Amino acid sequence: GAGVSQTPSNKVTEKGKYVELRCDPISGHTALYWYRQSLGQGPEFLIYFQGTGAADDSGLPNDRFFAVRPEGSVSTLKIQRTERGDSAVYLCASSPTRENTGELFFGEGSRLTVL
Amino acid sequence: GEDVEQSLFLSVREGDSSVINCTYTDSSSTYLYWYKQEPGAGLQLLTYIFSNMDMKQDQRLTVLLNKKDKHLSLRIADTQTGDSAIYFCAEGGQTGANNLFFGTGTRLTVIP
Repeated sequence: GAGVSQTPSNKVTEKGKYVELRCDPISGHTALYWYRQSLGQGPEFLIYFQGTGAADDSGLPNDRFFAVRPEGSVSTLKIQRTERGDSAVYLCASSPTRENTGELFFGEGSRLTVL
Repeated sequence: GEDVEQSLFLSVREGDSSVINCTYTDSSSTYLYWYKQEPGAGLQLLTYIFSNMDMKQDQRLTVLLNKKDKHLSLRIADTQTGDSAIYFCAEGGQTGANNLFFGTGTRLTVIP
């Protein structure tokens, strides 16, 4: 596709459930990022992939959060035992190379609501 | 850690100039950025400035960087209603580390 695609656009779940959020980056972009944006806040870095490997996962808040990118393209962010505090918009971004001017191309996000 | 701060709201009249300010803490940032977020849309890069520059102009946009004070500003000339959005300042871009640190965003409202 032309841009970064994220699914689902909205997800409502109950506390304690498992959630998967998917990101399809721009074709050919080797770097992929996950951010989380809470209401009234700026995006907060979670994890960064270069190809298939997680180059930096220092932003993941705890071990309930995990992300994969098995073939170096599509990525899935997985959240176990969801909590109400996990409610946020989860943003995915991609960029062409590891070293660039920092222009990230963002998707529209997946809004997660944990009841 | 990195900390990026912005004022939350700004209102201007159509045709006036808007100035959005940002302060940051990481003096090692290679680049500083302004991103725009419109309702229901993803963040979009507006402009960026390399840390060894003090000014960059791009059509209606002027970015000023005061590295000594760690202060970044975005000036929008002849502000239009279509400029209404949330503007995020971000720092980062060190070689091999592209995770950006964003401010809380400034909501710009343009009054017709």
